[in-house]
Amino acid sequence: GDSVTQMEGPVTLSEEAFLTINCTYTATGYPSLFWYVQYPGEGLQLLLKATKADDKGSNKGFEATYRKETTSFHLEKGSVQVSDSAVYFCALKRRNTGNQFYFGTGTSLTVIP
Amino acid sequence: DGGITQSPKYLFRKEGQNVTLSCEQNLNHDAMYWYRQDPGQGLRLIYYSQIVNDFQKGDIAEGYSVSREKKESFPLTVTSAQKNPTAFYLCASSIGQIPLVSEAFFGQGTRLTVV
Repeated sequence: GDSVTQMEGPVTLSEEAFLTINCTYTATGYPSLFWYVQYPGEGLQLLLKATKADDKGSNKGFEATYRKETTSFHLEKGSVQVSDSAVYFCALKRRNTGNQFYFGTGTSLTVIP
Repeated sequence: DGGITQSPKYLFRKEGQNVTLSCEQNLNHDAMYWYRQDPGQGLRLIYYSQIVNDFQKGDIAEGYSVSREKKESFPLTVTSAQKNPTAFYLCASSIGQIPLVSEAFFGQGTRLTVV
């Protein structure tokens, strides 16, 4: 069945370091892919999305490219800030699955000054 | 402002009691979802609904019930049959299957604690 696998955390980085959070997926066809961010005690917010192969989603300095050949959607940011500390979730949505979303287990990021 | 409202933010329940979590959206979305989140874990789907008066079980539906009598509302009842109900509950909505690209919008969550 459909699934998303994320790199396990927690991840701790110094401010201005480069961030990569790996995400790979299993799904038939061409799913839409998403990255969500969750701050403590809050719901999830959409960070970025991509709907077809080679699309690049970007927002607030974060980027992710939909790679069909490697079934991946890795999240990257060139220079992280303390305010980026949060939990990041990768997700997919595929047609003909009852409109369901499939989420990864989340990766906790802490950025230290 | 359009969005999803969950209430209450914090809820305490005695063992053996049923409790209902509220979820309301004014985004005119067809699909709505309930997820459970435990510390250090991802999201697990409890129930989802694609249209009014219809809903399907997710991966962990045992001990929970829902209704979808109105498009805007998707309340979740945690029954006494749920063995370990203490968790953070998230409600979400989405436009529907078409367009496929439509993302899920989340409420702020309800933290349920059994005392």
